[in-house]
Amino acid sequence: DGGITQSPKYLFRKEGQNVTLSCEQNLNHDAMYWYRQDPGQGLRLIYYSQIVNDFQKGDIAEGYSVSREKKESFPLTVTSAQKNPTAFYLCASRDPHTDTQYFGPGTRLTVL
Amino acid sequence: GQSLEQPSEVTAVEGAIVQINCTYQTSGFYGLSWYQQHDGGAPTFLSYNALDGLEETGRFSSFLSRSDSYGYLLLQELQMKDSASYFCAVRAFSSGSARQLTFGSGTQLTVLP
Repeated sequence: DGGITQSPKYLFRKEGQNVTLSCEQNLNHDAMYWYRQDPGQGLRLIYYSQIVNDFQKGDIAEGYSVSREKKESFPLTVTSAQKNPTAFYLCASRDPHTDTQYFGPGTRLTVL
Repeated sequence: GQSLEQPSEVTAVEGAIVQINCTYQTSGFYGLSWYQQHDGGAPTFLSYNALDGLEETGRFSSFLSRSDSYGYLLLQELQMKDSASYFCAVRAFSSGSARQLTFGSGTQLTVLP
């Protein structure tokens, strides 16, 4: 079965700690994205990657970092510099044939 | 920049028809997508319009008017399971050839028995 997986589903972190969210896809998509969603809000773009070893900042990149060493994987690190990290984080990849983004199940991060 | 407006809430009864409007302001417009998101879940793709007109997929249809910067999602024969948030999202060219999605704030649809 092809798809996008994110782990863990729920994550708790203490203030001042960095935490890394996993995103893996076996759809052979080049482009991958990270979004943040706050309660009752739309999705905001954090980072995106068009191809391996390349990534670009989105609208709200401050306090986050990413890497793209493999086509299948696009991990997101939420650093201690992110002032308000509690949110629902969604990873997506883009089908180049239909130009449609498909989402993983998300990780809900709570900072205690 | 880009901005989208859609109503925050819509309520309808089972079997009814509901229309969710979306107006947008953007540069580098490429097309308008619609996503459905149930509580706690991931957004799932519903439809995409790049050209003016109506696209029909089963009970759901989506419309786009590029000249009016306006689109809508039409849900027919509403079912309880259609209760969810619906997001319009503009596909636009950003830096270079990068195609990005910018999402509206979402419309919470409640279907009543």
